Amino acid sequence: EPEVTQTPSHQVTQMGQEVILRCVPISNHLYFYWYRQILGQKVEFLVSFYNNEISEKSEIFDDQFSVERPDGSNFTLKIRSTKLEDSAMYFCASKEPGELFFGEGSRLTVL
Amino acid sequence: AQKVTQAQTEISVVEKEDVTLDCVYETRDTTYYLFWYKQPPSGELVFLIRRNSFDEQNEISGRYSWNFQKSTSSFNFTITASQVVDSAVYFCALRTTGANSKLTFGKGITLSVRP
Repeated sequence: EPEVTQTPSHQVTQMGQEVILRCVPISNHLYFYWYRQILGQKVEFLVSFYNNEISEKSEIFDDQFSVERPDGSNFTLKIRSTKLEDSAMYFCASKEPGELFFGEGSRLTVL
Repeated sequence: AQKVTQAQTEISVVEKEDVTLDCVYETRDTTYYLFWYKQPPSGELVFLIRRNSFDEQNEISGRYSWNFQKSTSSFNFTITASQVVDSAVYFCALRTTGANSKLTFGKGITLSVRP
């Protein structure tokens, strides 16, 4: 069964460092998303991406965040200068359109 | 704007008890989808069900059942004869029907099933 894969599963970084979280969406999917879940809280929408551009972003998705699809298969989330409050689980998701499929998440810990 | 409210935050039951997880939603759209996801301790989001706004039939899948009441904007989830493996956080979510529409999640309910 096709699935969304995310790497790394867990990353620990120092405050101020840049982090790139990688996602490989399902191959025929056209819409891509990042969601975030701070520990113990709800899952929050960050950004959606379609046709090689951002189609919607939340207020969380400030200038420190960026997304790109560098090679037609990967979909990356970059945090330029991490803050303590960026510590969270980050979920990538994709859809055809149709049903949304989530990856298993990348846990980011900022020290 | 969409909103999903899960008023219960934590529920603890003993194995074999039935438990109902409540979900109330708000949307101005007439066509939308409702979801339940399970998040076990390992952290991944496990899809349980999708229901569209035109289909108010209740659904049963094994020990799981869902009660969609459009009149009260509720989409409640019942686990019958709960098991320890049901212990997880359960999220209700709402999505409108645009091709690029996003999911709006509730805050989640932590269910603990004790042996």
